[in-house]
Amino acid sequence: GQQLNQSPQSMFIQEGEDVSMNCTSSSIFNTWLWYKQDPGEGPVLLIALYKAGELTSNGRLTAQFGITRKDSFLNISASIPSDVGIYFCAGLTSGTYKYIFGTGTRLKVLA
Amino acid sequence: DAGVTQSPTHLIKTRGQQVTLRCSPKSGHDTVSWYQQALGQGPQFIFQYYEEEERQRGNFPDRFSGHQFPNYSSELNVNALLLGDSALYLCASSLNINYEQYFGPGTRLTVT
Repeated sequence: GQQLNQSPQSMFIQEGEDVSMNCTSSSIFNTWLWYKQDPGEGPVLLIALYKAGELTSNGRLTAQFGITRKDSFLNISASIPSDVGIYFCAGLTSGTYKYIFGTGTRLKVLA
Repeated sequence: DAGVTQSPTHLIKTRGQQVTLRCSPKSGHDTVSWYQQALGQGPQFIFQYYEEEERQRGNFPDRFSGHQFPNYSSELNVNALLLGDSALYLCASSLNINYEQYFGPGTRLTVT
């Protein structure tokens, strides 16, 4: 099925470091959602973005809606061990109710 | 405030059998979407229900069908199960006027 491209695919970082990941597409989206998923559980909604250029924060997490509307970015500052998991982006185009998810970024934090 | 709940948690079925999965949306939500997540992949949209009708469908065969009840809860039915149907099935609820979707814990389906 259709999936958005996320990079990096996986990353290992030291506790306390900042993390950046992105999600890109050839299509234009009107809404971006960012989720975190732990093994065997459902994704947890982190941040929702609705306007091009919008920058939204949730604690140590900051996400941006790309100006071209074809990409989105997620930053995590001062990572901690509980940030470990898989991060997914999801995009929604105009006139549809179908979210398209990214391939995921697997984050591992070394204490 | 109850979140999205799904049942059962795990299920093992044999090829050719039929299965029904259930979902109760988050309190106050009226829209339910179903997703299939294969191991190592992102969730794939199956369909969305609103006002007891299928509003949009993804690229899934007719073996996948659903229902939404007046209390907004929903069922996903899969007929003639194939080995490839083994996956985590996720339900997400939302309020029609709001695009934020909240997921349940999922049902792990194994087809042998």
